[in-house]
Amino acid sequence: AQTVTQSQPEMSVQEAETVTLSCTYDTSENNYYLFWYKQPPSRQMILVIRQEAYKQQNATENRFSVNFQKAAKSFSLKISDSQLGDTAMYFCAFMKIQGAQKLVFGQGTRLTINP
Amino acid sequence: NAGVTQTPKFQVLKTGQSMTLQCAQDMNHEYMSWYRQDPGMGLRLIHYSVGAGITDQGEVPNGYNVSRSTTEDFPLRLLSAAPSQTSVYFCASRGGVAKNIQYFGAGTRLSVL
Repeated sequence: AQTVTQSQPEMSVQEAETVTLSCTYDTSENNYYLFWYKQPPSRQMILVIRQEAYKQQNATENRFSVNFQKAAKSFSLKISDSQLGDTAMYFCAFMKIQGAQKLVFGQGTRLTINP
Repeated sequence: NAGVTQTPKFQVLKTGQSMTLQCAQDMNHEYMSWYRQDPGMGLRLIHYSVGAGITDQGEVPNGYNVSRSTTEDFPLRLLSAAPSQTSVYFCASRGGVAKNIQYFGAGTRLSVL
């Protein structure tokens, strides 16, 4: 079974700083997807970024980028020029490509951006 | 563009009561899922469906039933509510061109007293 671990329960940075959230996972699959979801106080789950394991290039979406290390099974999220609106829970998630394609989530990291 | 719609947004039940959480999507997605979110545990899969008439159990299925009679709807039934089912429930769907992206509803906060 796949597992996803986020080792930082909480993080806090100043506005405009860069912050990196960590995620590790365990799987025997070779092809899969990885995701970062954001959950603001509104409770809505919002997709931030996704990575396909067979692509070596790290995904980027504006201020958000990932550092995908397949051999190390690591998938960190970097937020550049952080903004107050980035304050939220962030969840790392894994999904197999083959089979039932169920999402497996980490425990989450609560990120606070301070003014 | 409604996306995934969950009702109700909040619900309080007494132990032993039954209820149905509604979920509907208007994107013609084949896959639909129910998750529960508890503090410090992320989201855990309850049940999922890969198409109308097909459902299967996820990680924490006990105490819940589902059915999928149409592509659009995927209700979650609590047969006899227990305090351990106090949680936030999310419905999600995926399909179409970007089959690997799950779209989530706004969630239902359920309290069982």
